[in-house]
Amino acid sequence: QVQLVQSGAEVKKPGASVKVSCKTSGYTFTTYYLHWVRQAPGQGLEWMGIMNPSGGDTNYAQKFQGRVTMTRDTSTSTVYMDLSSLRSEDTAVYYCARSQLPYKWFDPWGQGTLVTVSS
Amino acid sequence: QSALTQPRSVSGSPGQSVTISCTGTSSDVGGYNYVSWYQQHPGKAPKLMIYDVNRRPSGVPDRFSGSKSGNTASLTISGLQAEDEADYYCCSYAGRFVFGGGTKLTVL
Repeated sequence: QVQLVQSGAEVKKPGASVKVSCKTSGYTFTTYYLHWVRQAPGQGLEWMGIMNPSGGDTNYAQKFQGRVTMTRDTSTSTVYMDLSSLRSEDTAVYYCARSQLPYKWFDPWGQGTLVTVSS
Repeated sequence: QSALTQPRSVSGSPGQSVTISCTGTSSDVGGYNYVSWYQQHPGKAPKLMIYDVNRRPSGVPDRFSGSKSGNTASLTISGLQAEDEADYYCCSYAGRFVFGGGTKLTVL
C-alpha cells in the first residue's frame, strides 16, 4: 500500500536549519507530486510548497521563499524539506502529502514530524 | 488569519446531520472546482474525505458529501456517528493551496 514515512522529531535553536525527510513506498515515485504542509500547535494547516519528483522542479509558497528548499533522492524514493533561519513561529508539525496532479487533493499524508524551535 | 473561512465549531447528536461551510472568494473556491475536505483526529495526520468539491474517495462512507455554491463550499455529514468527532479542514487550489481555519465537530 502507499506509505509516506517521515523522519523523527527535531529540536532546533533559533537561526538554525532543519531537514525533514519523507520516504515513499507502494507506488512509482516519479509519477506523483509531493507537497509539504505544516500545522502550528493548536492551529490550522498551511501549505508550504510542492515538488515534482520526476524533474525535481519546485514551487514554494511566497511566505517561505528564500527559506525553504525541497529536494529528492530518486534512488530511495525520498523527498526532503529544508527550512532555514528558524524562529519560534516555525514550531509546528510538518507533513508531506502526495497528489496526482499539482493542483489536486492531498492523499495520503505522512505521519508528521514535530519541529520545535526553542533557545 | 486563514484564507478560507470556516465556523470554529459545530455540533450534532448521533444520527443527525451537520453542515460545515467554507467561504472563500472568486479567486479560490469560486474560481476552481478543486475544493477538498480533510478530517483530522487529535494527534493524527489529516485524511482526505472529499475531493473536487463533491467526489468521495474509496473507503469514505457515503454519509459524507460535498457541494459548492458560488464562493462557498460545504461539507455535510449525515447520520452522525461518534467517530466523526474531529477537526475538519477545507482546502482550495488558487494558483497555490489555501486552507480554512478548521472546524471542530462535536458529537453530543
